[in-house]
Amino acid sequence: EDQVTQSPEALRLQEGESSSLNCSYTVSGLRGLFWYRQDPGKGPEFLFTLYSAGEEKEKERLKATLTKKESFRHITAPKPEDSATYLCAVQNAGNNRKLIWGLGTSLAVNP
Amino acid sequence: DAGVIQSPRHEVTEMGQEVTLRCKPISGHDYLFWYRQTMMRGLELLIYFNNNVPIDDSGMPEDRFSAKMPNASFSTLKIQPSEPRDSAVYFCASSPPRGVVRETQYFGPGTRLLVL
Repeated sequence: EDQVTQSPEALRLQEGESSSLNCSYTVSGLRGLFWYRQDPGKGPEFLFTLYSAGEEKEKERLKATLTKKESFRHITAPKPEDSATYLCAVQNAGNNRKLIWGLGTSLAVNP
Repeated sequence: DAGVIQSPRHEVTEMGQEVTLRCKPISGHDYLFWYRQTMMRGLELLIYFNNNVPIDDSGMPEDRFSAKMPNASFSTLKIQPSEPRDSAVYFCASSPPRGVVRETQYFGPGTRLLVL
């Protein structure tokens, strides 16, 4: 069964304190791994997609890498405005558009 | 582009009443998704459409839920009769055709439903 597990559930950082969020997945052939950000009261906002093991992508203070079993999202020198819930989802290689979602990591960055 | 538009943004109703949620996808997108989000279960896919045709409705909880897409720019999710356990945030998302931008889903702001 396709499954996504995110850890930790919650993370509190001081401004400037770097850390990583983890997304572990089990899927029957990976078509893509998606990272989203969700602010309270809003819909998930797309960040980036990773397609193959070894791939890396960066956006401002965020950097995501992909291995065959998991993706790490590193946040470097975070700012309070990075506080949000970060969601990971995977799409399997079947001919469909379904995404399997993790429960997310709630990140709080204190000034 | 205005993005995915959902209405209403908030809905409070009493158990047994009919609830209709509405969605307008991004112009040019031919996939439309309905999700439900709760703290316990996270994001759950209810149903998705391609070119106005339902492709997978295996996530629809039961017969009280129904979804339609009469044209490329409008979809509804209906709950009849509503129950307190249906209280959640309902999101609509849309996605472009295959080969354009690889299958990213873009979400609307959601409808917060509370059934008393």
